[in-house]
Amino acid sequence: SYELTQSLSVSVALGQTARITCGGNNIGTKNVHWYQQKPGQAPVLVIYRDNNRPSGIPERFSGSNSGNTATLTISRAQAGDEADYYCQVWDSSTALFGGGTKLTVL
Amino acid sequence: EVQLAESGGGVVQPGGSLRLSCAASGFTFDRHWMNWVRQVPGKGLVWVSHINGDESGTNYADFVKGRFTISRDNAKNTLYLQMNSLRPEDTAVYYCARRDSVTTLGFDIWGQGTMVTVSS
Repeated sequence: SYELTQSLSVSVALGQTARITCGGNNIGTKNVHWYQQKPGQAPVLVIYRDNNRPSGIPERFSGSNSGNTATLTISRAQAGDEADYYCQVWDSSTALFGGGTKLTVL
Repeated sequence: EVQLAESGGGVVQPGGSLRLSCAASGFTFDRHWMNWVRQVPGKGLVWVSHINGDESGTNYADFVKGRFTISRDNAKNTLYLQMNSLRPEDTAVYYCARRDSVTTLGFDIWGQGTMVTVSS
């Protein structure tokens, strides 16, 4: 079965750029979505179909997807970006989530 | 306002049953696939099931097949999850989520979640 691999944690200095990766076999051929989840809250879609931002999501959030890796990039990281981030794809009519990456803003 | 609101969670003994509901408002409910996603506190998101707009198609994660049934009542704008033969490992927060079938193709609207605890 298809699997998505994310690093457990990523740290970034305030104002710098954070990159969160999601690995999967030929993930570049799939649509990847990214979700942000803060403690005690429901997830929020921050990137859809690899590199698109829903309305209301800051331009600081961007995405890319090629080969075996999809990447969520957060520019000019802010304290409010501290959260868990999950990648997600569909495979054989099944939704799959990565294990999640905890972003810490130092 | 577009929103989803889950209800029906609670404490149930192993082997018991529970039915979750998810009330939708602010959008054309029958145009969208609806999903259930669960999360053990402190752990990651896990997809459980989906149902398409006209109820003609459903799918389930292997770990709930034969035990859980997803359904919807488009006249009432409500999604359901009937959970039977519950196990302690089913303990989790259960979210309903809309899959936007037109633009994003992602889960663009989520409920606040309802906690299910399976324990004796």
